[in-house]
Amino acid sequence: DAGVTQSPTHLIKTRGQQVTLRCSPKSGHDTVSWYQQALGQGPQFIFQYYEEEERQRGNFPDRFSGHQFPNYSSELNVNALLLGDSALYLCASSMTGGNTEAFFGQGTRLTVV
Amino acid sequence: GEDVEQSLFLSVREGDSSVINCTYTDSSSTYLYWYKQEPGAGLQLLTYIFSNMDMKQDQRLTVLLNKKDKHLSLRIADTQTGDSAIYFCAESRNQGGKLIFGQGTELSVKP
Repeated sequence: DAGVTQSPTHLIKTRGQQVTLRCSPKSGHDTVSWYQQALGQGPQFIFQYYEEEERQRGNFPDRFSGHQFPNYSSELNVNALLLGDSALYLCASSMTGGNTEAFFGQGTRLTVV
Repeated sequence: GEDVEQSLFLSVREGDSSVINCTYTDSSSTYLYWYKQEPGAGLQLLTYIFSNMDMKQDQRLTVLLNKKDKHLSLRIADTQTGDSAIYFCAESRNQGGKLIFGQGTELSVKP
């Protein structure tokens, strides 16, 4: 079992650009959550997807959007990038109703210049 | 509201015990977690406790929960240099649901 995998591991974007980050959940998991971790801070919840729909959302602007595919993998999209969007983006997967904890991927380090 | 607070730094000698503390505000918290993050890495779940428990032990790790004071602690016995990392306390209302994290405690273990 590969666990939760995220791609890419690092990327650099310019202000105003758009970015897409990808996540494959742990085998058997159907729920994907995304977190933003700024340098020196704890992760902040962005949103959670289940059954291809956004189930819960944190305090992030509409520039942050997501998608979940039928195979449970997920994408995080950020439009109109700001310097303040530079962070480690973490994906976590879990199984709804399965009484399991969330498992995290290694993250994607996004740098906006 | 939802808020989780931790002290930022802790330094111990190898072989000593480490105690990392956390307070939370959400009285609806059902699950409380401790995660470990090493440099450049994701989060590794160390242990968790249900809110109806007051203690959980797992090898070198002991979690204590004071639900009345909304205080959680993680004790690491016989701390090793490999335990040096940032430790995050987190809470959620349901297993696998939205996690609210503290800002992390950086544990430094000196030989």
